[in-house]
Amino acid sequence: AQKITQTQPGMFVQEKEAVTLDCTYDTSDPSYGLFWYKQPSSGEMIFLIYQGSYDQQNATEGRYSLNFQKARKSANLVISASQLGDSAMYFCAMREGDFGNEKLTFGTGTRLTIIP
Amino acid sequence: EAQVTQNPRYLITVTGKKLTVTCSQNMNHEYMSWYRQDPGLGLRQIYYSMNVEVTDKGDVPEGYKVSRKEKRNFPLILESPSPNQTSLYFCASSSGGEVQETQYFGPGTRLLVL
Repeated sequence: AQKITQTQPGMFVQEKEAVTLDCTYDTSDPSYGLFWYKQPSSGEMIFLIYQGSYDQQNATEGRYSLNFQKARKSANLVISASQLGDSAMYFCAMREGDFGNEKLTFGTGTRLTIIP
Repeated sequence: EAQVTQNPRYLITVTGKKLTVTCSQNMNHEYMSWYRQDPGLGLRQIYYSMNVEVTDKGDVPEGYKVSRKEKRNFPLILESPSPNQTSLYFCASSSGGEVQETQYFGPGTRLLVL
């Protein structure tokens, strides 16, 4: 079974609208972390936001927020007031365990295109 | 400036010609890792290292070698590259420890094997 599933290969969104990128995960470990990365056309991986399995509140970083629904095992990224510069590939990733396991497992990504 | 550097950034080579992609970090991180990115597959871990002289296989290690002789460097070696190793490669590092610690990624190396 896929550990990280991103079901939207591509999305087109009008500028200034909010957008939600879906991510579901699968783990039996009670301690895990969920990450979102942005990859613009230049190729670098940019860390956006983190959510821990024990965090009581949804993570927020500026225009980015994470809609964390633990029972449903989903960790959707919400971008408010989208901008042209948000056009990029977005990856959801998970790290399992408390210490020692540094491996990130990635989803297949969602390509977001913002339309002017 | 804290960073992970990779060289070269772009490489075209031919089947069977040994190559090395270097990776260096200046953050004194314990943990380093190599990923490859392919369309429709996301990023997959090739090898990782928990510390100097400690390396282990990731999900797709076939055809690759690594070494960790110094803490800051973690080169990726393709001893006999094949066309199916054409990919975008990322090196990453982190300090290790708590689960909320993110990994810092290098800029990527685009490899084409003819």
